[in-house]
Amino acid sequence: EPEVTQTPSHQVTQMGQEVILRCVPISNHLYFYWYRQILGQKVEFLVSFYNNEISEKSEIFDDQFSVERPDGSNFTLKIRSTKLEDSAMYFCASSGARIIGSPLHFGNGTRLTVT
Amino acid sequence: DAKTTQPTSMDCAEGRAANLPCNHSTISGNEYVYWYRQIHSQGPQYIIHGLKNNETNEMASLIITEDRKSSTLILPHATLRDTAVYYCIGGKEYGNKLVFGAGTILRVKS
Repeated sequence: EPEVTQTPSHQVTQMGQEVILRCVPISNHLYFYWYRQILGQKVEFLVSFYNNEISEKSEIFDDQFSVERPDGSNFTLKIRSTKLEDSAMYFCASSGARIIGSPLHFGNGTRLTVT
Repeated sequence: DAKTTQPTSMDCAEGRAANLPCNHSTISGNEYVYWYRQIHSQGPQYIIHGLKNNETNEMASLIITEDRKSSTLILPHATLRDTAVYYCIGGKEYGNKLVFGAGTILRVKS
């Protein structure tokens, strides 16, 4: 069964550094998402992306964050200047074409640790 | 997005059916009920979804009440590997921004 893959599985960075988290969604999917989960807390929506533009974003997704689909297969999340509170698991997800009730398929996440 | 209410935790004996309830009294007529689970900080895993009819797949069954205000996810023969946090989420037909609550911690015990 096709999967959403995320790299790296664990990223350690220093405060103030830029990080790029990478995702390869399922190939025929059209909707792409980033979520995050701070340790011990709920899974939180960050942003959704469709037709090469952001379709919705949460208040967490401020100017420090950006997303891109650079080459038609990868989907990236960039954090421009990381803060300690950005430490979390970041999950990428994708969902299919306009199929009724198309569920989201999640990757296994990138654990970001900001020191 | 429809708000859902789930019990904080449940226990189930291995091999028995696990029945996980969810209240979604504010769900609108065109919103689906989705169930996901998360095993030990892995990515959430899709289980099943439905609109108004009961649904079954290889993982689970979903029973939705006629008034659509509540539903029950049934794992027919729970195993230790089904220990996870189970989320009931109301969502649109496609392009969903899922809003995760705290879910139900299901502990399957031998």
